[in-house]
Amino acid sequence: EILMTQSPATLSVSPGERATLSCRASQSVGINLAWYQQKPDQVPKLLIYGASTRATGIPARFSGSGSGTEFTLTISSLQSEDFAVYYCQQNSNWPLTFGQGTRVEIK
Amino acid sequence: QVQLQESGPGLVKPSETLSLNCAVSGHSISGDHWWGWIRQPPGKGLEWIGSIHRSGTTYYNSSLKSRVTLSVDTSKNQFSLRLSPVTAADTAVYYCARGGYNSGSYFNYFDSWGQGTLVTVSS
Repeated sequence: EILMTQSPATLSVSPGERATLSCRASQSVGINLAWYQQKPDQVPKLLIYGASTRATGIPARFSGSGSGTEFTLTISSLQSEDFAVYYCQQNSNWPLTFGQGTRVEIK
Repeated sequence: QVQLQESGPGLVKPSETLSLNCAVSGHSISGDHWWGWIRQPPGKGLEWIGSIHRSGTTYYNSSLKSRVTLSVDTSKNQFSLRLSPVTAADTAVYYCARGGYNSGSYFNYFDSWGQGTLVTVSS
């Protein structure tokens, strides 16, 4: 089973600043990595798939990068609606696995 | 536009069986997408439970494999989850979701989710 480790657990950022979230896989997943955003009491929403492709309707301020075992989600200029928990998920191998999440909070 | 809707009991007794259905509308489940279940205990992260293809092929979370069964009913355009026996640790919001598709290939990220249903395990 591939273990997904996200860091940091919590990220405090001021509106307008850049946020950089990390996700590490215990073995290579190629580019089979997705990112999700979950706001309080809401359904997770797909942001990025294939490590770097934005899902439909996702603003350009969200970008994903990386391959193999190291991945990054960058939010270029945080808006108020971006404060949420972000999860990475590998879909390279069964069983599918999620990271534990990074909470992005207002500084 | 695809829509998914979970249904089932909100309260299940310990040692009994949790059964949920996911009704899919706006998309035929008979295609080649994968369909999955994910759960989230209160205040915790996301945990993949399992995925199923319309052919009946299934994959399960290793830690749940002995207790989980997924099935698909193409005539009703729905798929289902059974988890047995349950304990309090199975209390969670259960989501059903559709696997992704891109450039002619099917993938197992989840591009559409149901609203989720809270299942509480308690006597």
